[in-house]
Amino acid sequence: AQTVTQSQPEMSVQEAETVTLSCTYDTSESDYYLFWYKQPPSRQMILVIRQEAYKQQNATENRFSVNFQKAAKSFSLKISDSQLGDAAMYFCAYHNAGNMLTFGGGTRLMVKP
Amino acid sequence: EADIYQTPRYLVIGTGKKITLECSQTMGHDKMYWYQQDPGMELHLIHYSYGVNSTEKGDLSSESTVSRIRTEHFPLTLESARPSHTSQYLCASSVRGFQEGYTFGSGTRLTVV
Repeated sequence: AQTVTQSQPEMSVQEAETVTLSCTYDTSESDYYLFWYKQPPSRQMILVIRQEAYKQQNATENRFSVNFQKAAKSFSLKISDSQLGDAAMYFCAYHNAGNMLTFGGGTRLMVKP
Repeated sequence: EADIYQTPRYLVIGTGKKITLECSQTMGHDKMYWYQQDPGMELHLIHYSYGVNSTEKGDLSSESTVSRIRTEHFPLTLESARPSHTSQYLCASSVRGFQEGYTFGSGTRLTVV
């Protein structure tokens, strides 16, 4: 069974600084997708960024980028120029054919003004 | 703007009452899911459906039931609410395949007193 681990229950970052959230996963599959979701307080969970396992190039979406290390089964999220609106729970998730989306336990990100 | 709608957003109800949490999506997704989110924010899958008249229990045992009579509608029912049912309930949907991830509703925060 696939597992996703987020080892940082909480992180904090100063506004305008950069922060990296860690995620590792365990799988024997070669074809899968990885995702980062953001859940602001009392608001809808939204997809931030996704990465296809077959693509070596790291995905980027504006201030959000990932460091995908397939051999190490690592998928970290980097947030540049952090903003107050980035404060949220962040969930790493794994998905492959025939299975459900598997979530990590989440990392609470606090942004200090 | 959300394409998946959950109502109500907040509900406080007495022990023993029957409740139905509504979830509807306008995207034509075949797959729908219900998650229970505990105070530590971890997500637990309690029900899922791969299409009309198809429902399955998830990883976390739940006293709730679901139905899928129409593609767009996936309500969750508690026949007799108890304080242990107090939680955040998230509905999600997805297309077939694993490339797109899930789309989530805004959630229902249920409190049973």
